[in-house]
Amino acid sequence: SQQGEEDPQALSIQEGENATMNCSYKTSINNLQWYRQNSGRGLVHLILIRSNEREKHSGRLRVTLDTSKKSSSLLITASRAADTASYFCATDAGYGNNRLAFGKGNQVVVIP
Amino acid sequence: DARVTQTPRDKVTEMGQEVTMRCQPILGHNTVFWYRQTMMQGLELLAYFRNRAPLDDSGMPKDRFSAEMPDATLATLKIQPSEPRDSAVYFCASAPGGGGETQYFGPGTRLLVL
Repeated sequence: SQQGEEDPQALSIQEGENATMNCSYKTSINNLQWYRQNSGRGLVHLILIRSNEREKHSGRLRVTLDTSKKSSSLLITASRAADTASYFCATDAGYGNNRLAFGKGNQVVVIP
Repeated sequence: DARVTQTPRDKVTEMGQEVTMRCQPILGHNTVFWYRQTMMQGLELLAYFRNRAPLDDSGMPKDRFSAEMPDATLATLKIQPSEPRDSAVYFCASAPGGGGETQYFGPGTRLLVL
C-alpha cells in the first residue's frame, strides 16, 4: 500500500488563486518530499522537508509538516496555468534501504 | 543539464514478445530505481540498485521481469514474455547516494502490450 495519501484527489482553481494539498502517512519518517508530474512526463522534485522542520518555502511553494499528526500540506500561491499537473508526496520511512513510497497523486488544474 | 534518459519513449508490442527498456542514470548517481505507473495502481516500485547491485526487487513479478545494471551508465528492465496487463508507463529514477533523498526521474517508457 502507498505510504503517502494525498487529499483532495483533484482540484480545479482559477489562475491567481492558491492551491492547497494535503498528504498523510502512517509511519515515522526522516523526510517527506513533494514531486510534480506534468502530463506525459516524469516526476520532478519540488521540495524536501525533514522531520525536524515544520515549514519550508521555495518560491511560490510552501510546505508544512506535522509529525504528530503524520501529515503534510503543500501550498502553491498565486497559481499559474503552468502549475497544472499532478502532485505527489513521498516519504522515506517504513521500508528501510532508503526507498521512497509515493502517494497516488493529486491532480491540479489551473484555469487561465 | 544532467538528466536521466530512457529508451524507447514508446513501445507497442504483441503479447508474448520480449520487451527491453533502457535507462541511463545521471553520471555519478549510484542508486537507480525502476517504477511502473498505472491509473489503477499509481506509482509502484519494481526494483532498485545501489552501486549496480540489486537491493530490492520484491515489487517485480519474478517469472517474467528482470532488471540488471550491466555497468554504471546503463540499467535495463526486461519483460519476457509480455502480457497486456504489463501495459503501463515505466520510469527510471536515479539518486546521488543512499536514496531516501531526491530522486531524479527519466521521461518514462510508455508500453502498450496488445
